[in-house]
Amino acid sequence: AQSVAQPEDQVNVAEGNPLTVKCTYSVSGNPYLFWYVQYPNRGLQFLLKYITGDNLVKGSYGFEAEFNKSQTSFHLKKPSALVSDSALYFCAVRDGDQAGTALIFGKGTTLSVSS
Amino acid sequence: GAGVSQSPSNKVTEKGKDVELRCDPISGHTALYWYRQRLGQGLEFLIYFQGNSAPDKSGLPSDRFSAERTGESVSTLTIQRTQQEDSAVYLCASSFGTGVTEAFFGQGTRLTVV
Repeated sequence: AQSVAQPEDQVNVAEGNPLTVKCTYSVSGNPYLFWYVQYPNRGLQFLLKYITGDNLVKGSYGFEAEFNKSQTSFHLKKPSALVSDSALYFCAVRDGDQAGTALIFGKGTTLSVSS
Repeated sequence: GAGVSQSPSNKVTEKGKDVELRCDPISGHTALYWYRQRLGQGLEFLIYFQGNSAPDKSGLPSDRFSAERTGESVSTLTIQRTQQEDSAVYLCASSFGTGVTEAFFGQGTRLTVV
């Protein structure tokens, strides 16, 4: 069965500094990896995904994520944080080699960007 | 439709009553997911549909929970004999099948059991 771990409940960064939100995964086959963001009182929004190809994936709002197969990680990054990036971030994984598998989410990481 | 629609947006029910939550996925999306998000917590997977079949029901927390999907469209999540611990936001998402496509989420139904 697939699983996702987000080891940090909260990440605090100052505006303008780079940010990293960590994610590690476990699947038996090839991982399909996703990042979502949830702003207060709003639904989850898709940010980016890794399916295959380049290990560095670029997504919405200037975010990017780096897939590292040897470390089974898919950390979310942004070179320069904005206060408006403050939100709850979820990493998700699906086992790409198995049909009929669900999309499993991590428990989420709260990002707080201070001005 | 333009997005995933869930109804009702809010539901307050008395302990022991049954509730039914509805999800209208994006037209053409064959995969549909239900998740539960308790206050301040992450997303807890409940059940996944591919078409009208549910290949993965492993997340349903008890036999009080059931779900169905008809016409490869609307899905209903039913909770029987609600308990206070069922209070949460119930999120529905849909996608073009499994694999590479991302899922799109509805705004959720906030269920409060009093």
